[in-house]
Amino acid sequence: RKEVEQDPGPFNVPEGATVAFNCTYSNSASQSFFWYRQDCRKEPKLLMSVYSSGNEDGRFTAQLNRASQYISLLIRDSKLSDSATYLCVVNEGAGNMLTFGGGTRLMVKP
Amino acid sequence: GAVVSQHPSWVICKSGTSVKIECRSLDFQATTMFWYRQFPKQSLMLMATSNEGSKATYEQGVEKDKFLINHASLTLSTLTVTSAHPEDSSFYICSPFGGGYGYTFGSGTRLTVV
Repeated sequence: RKEVEQDPGPFNVPEGATVAFNCTYSNSASQSFFWYRQDCRKEPKLLMSVYSSGNEDGRFTAQLNRASQYISLLIRDSKLSDSATYLCVVNEGAGNMLTFGGGTRLMVKP
Repeated sequence: GAVVSQHPSWVICKSGTSVKIECRSLDFQATTMFWYRQFPKQSLMLMATSNEGSKATYEQGVEKDKFLINHASLTLSTLTVTSAHPEDSSFYICSPFGGGYGYTFGSGTRLTVV
């Protein structure tokens, strides 16, 4: 069983659409949570951290449900430039190591 | 802040040769260095963790004698792929941690072994 699971997609959406990604993690002792964005053949870049109370950054909203071990990312008003792979990432607390989900590919079309 | 330099960006080498990848934290000190690899259409998989001045800790299934990691200073770590084979072709990414910047990533090295 994968430690961090995501739907690989791809999600094909038109510009302006709202799209949501989900992620589940298996280690209940996990301490911190992130969404990263990775463009093709590039390194991952931090999109946002995810807090228990939920947090928003412009068009992006992240939520965490510790009881269900579930993380979500909502993107509103999708732009062409949002096309990328979104990685759900968990710090399980041991030695600051990050565990990456398999990623969800988003393609925003005109 | 948090500038990371990883070189080379890409390299093609012949089977059986060795390749060295460098990762530098230019404006902070990385107490820990994580090395990842990413195969096509897969996510990043942690290969090893090293702390400055100590031997690296390798993840299960990663051969320590094949992937040599040196973390001799707080600003430089190297990964050497020894006796490379086509199955080692992958995207290798370093991730320096420390200096109050949290998780940072190098720009990655695309290795192709022919």
